[in-house]
Amino acid sequence: GAVVSQHPSRVICKSGTSVKIECRSLDFQATTMFWYRQFPKKSLMLMATSNEGSKATYEQGVEKDKFLINHASLTLSTLTVTSAHPEDSSFYICSARVSYGTDTQYFGPGTRLTVL
Amino acid sequence: GENVEQHPSTLSVQEGDSAVIKCTYSDSASNYFPWYKQELGKGPQLIIDIRSNVGEKKDQRIAVTLNKTAKHFSLHITETQPEDSAVYFCAARQTGANNLFFGTGTRLTVIP
Repeated sequence: GAVVSQHPSRVICKSGTSVKIECRSLDFQATTMFWYRQFPKKSLMLMATSNEGSKATYEQGVEKDKFLINHASLTLSTLTVTSAHPEDSSFYICSARVSYGTDTQYFGPGTRLTVL
Repeated sequence: GENVEQHPSTLSVQEGDSAVIKCTYSDSASNYFPWYKQELGKGPQLIIDIRSNVGEKKDQRIAVTLNKTAKHFSLHITETQPEDSAVYFCAARQTGANNLFFGTGTRLTVIP
């Protein structure tokens, strides 16, 4: 089956630093990748959608200058949390859609970010 | 936009019993309905999905039913096992659209 990986799985950083999270589709090309944020015991909140080679589309209320998304290739997307603060601590999950014309969307294992 | 409601929020069943989780959606244009299982500290795992041209789909102990007229779909797990314990999310999307709208999740506990 389709596999999406994320790295790192956990990261702890100091307030004010930037953190980069990588998302890769391992055995398929993903024309569209998504980034979600999940708070404890809550559902997934879509942050942004990105298509390879294009600028990401951010959901309302998500700061694009704080959450930088780069979809450099059909198998790699990165999320950079810039100048992280404790309120950015969360579980970040990426997802990839197999290709145009299909609906199937697979999720990565998530990255637990803790900002001290 | 689409609004997906999911019930119950928590569900406890005895091992071997069946579990049913129900979702309703509001947008009649939605025609793709996946179900995800999320274990603690992990990402959601696609377990089954159904498209609107199908009323029911089954995969071993898991089945999903869809009633387009009533705009609701359900997940059925038979012969539950302790490893089925997790949070289950339903979702809905229009084919071709990007946004996948999630329900609020159901925490299933299977009691050995």
